[in-house]
Amino acid sequence: QLQLQESGPGLVKPSETLSLTCTVSGGSISSSSYYWGWIRQPPGKGLEWIGSIYNSGSTYYKSSLKSRLTISVDTSKNQFSLKLNSVTAADTAVYYCARHNWYCGGGSCRPGTFDIWGQGTMVTVSS
Amino acid sequence: EIVLTQSPGTLSLSPGERATLSCRASQSVITSYLAWYQQKPGQAPRLLIYGASSRATGIPDRFSGSGSGTDFTLTISRLEPEDFALYYCQQYDSSPGTFGQGTKVEIK
Repeated sequence: QLQLQESGPGLVKPSETLSLTCTVSGGSISSSSYYWGWIRQPPGKGLEWIGSIYNSGSTYYKSSLKSRLTISVDTSKNQFSLKLNSVTAADTAVYYCARHNWYCGGGSCRPGTFDIWGQGTMVTVSS
Repeated sequence: EIVLTQSPGTLSLSPGERATLSCRASQSVITSYLAWYQQKPGQAPRLLIYGASSRATGIPDRFSGSGSGTDFTLTISRLEPEDFALYYCQQYDSSPGTFGQGTKVEIK
């Protein structure tokens, strides 16, 4: 069955770039009509969708993070990646990658339900 | 963006009891695009309910969702030991899609 696994450094210094990769196994990232997204969860807090990518390379970012965020896909490696620059302590969180569908209507597009998740990776921003 | 407020923050119940969790939206979720997730400590969330009332694949029928407009409910008819966890609602009716802050169901 399809599985997702996040990888990347667990500690990032303030003002530097947070980089994570999600490896998809048990299926091809480019053979489905699903989107691939990143969600984060600060310690003791709720969930926040931060951005997504389609296998074509089309990207969708939460507006408040758009200036700092880049999501890319490497279909040859069945991976997608996240880069968040100029990080602060507020970016400390568990970062999840997940598969989801996408909805457009009412003048907007947005992620739908997240049906398959990675286990999550904790990233701490600290000097 | 739509703000989702979940209540109560914590629900203390015994196994076998009925759990009723509320999710209230700051504006109408017109399409009923409302989902519920379960999260256990150290684990990723698991999709339980989508479209306000449809169970995801493999979800037991003791979980049910209902509601429309601004008020939605997740009901667990008889709590099993494995049901004690955190529950989040999510709306995907309008951009950017948002989650509630969660309700913890704990053993009384």
